[in-house]
Amino acid sequence: DSGVTQTPKHLITATGQRVTLRCSPRSGDLSVYWYQQSLDQGLQFLIQYYNGEERAKGNILERFSAQQFPDLHSELNLSSLELGDSALYFCASSGTDRVSSPLHFGNGTRLTVT
Amino acid sequence: ILNVEQSPQSLHVQEGDSTNFTCSFPSSNFYALHWYRWETAKSPEALFVMTLNGDEKKKGRISATLNTKEGYSYLYIKGSQPEDSATYLCALSGANNLFFGTGTRLTVIP
Repeated sequence: DSGVTQTPKHLITATGQRVTLRCSPRSGDLSVYWYQQSLDQGLQFLIQYYNGEERAKGNILERFSAQQFPDLHSELNLSSLELGDSALYFCASSGTDRVSSPLHFGNGTRLTVT
Repeated sequence: ILNVEQSPQSLHVQEGDSTNFTCSFPSSNFYALHWYRWETAKSPEALFVMTLNGDEKKKGRISATLNTKEGYSYLYIKGSQPEDSATYLCALSGANNLFFGTGTRLTVIP
């Protein structure tokens, strides 16, 4: 058990809808990363937060947004969903904002857009 | 975006065999190199983080080396066991993010 909690585990929704994925980092970790894994693709970096502030952005679409709250949990909001957004979304946390710290991954949220 | 390449894409070995895979990356702007083990239906688990050229890390039968000047890292598994079957991911860090390769899928045949 990595200590990182992601909810929900599975989500099925229709095109055009909006969903929120939630992540609670490991106790004491200040940094949260979001990754997307689509079919036959590797883990694609979306965004990173450290202690409530956005630190880095990757291939995150404008329809997607995220935030990290004062209690350090993070939410990834996906709107105007398209079929191609179907993927496994991982949250990971680390103790520092330095990328020399290992990431601890949650079990992921599997999103299916129909 | 940093380009991380892993080879081979997949590998089948017999139980007891030793094996290794490669992670290649652009040698400039290097911060750190991570290895993760990802079992089916589970989440990726960190194996090693290496930051210095010439770093060697070991955890049980698994070890890794790093060459930042030529831009590669090797992961070695000695005496492979069926429980080693997993996808092994390499990730390269930029200043504030971590870019993953597509992994090497290892299957150890009993």
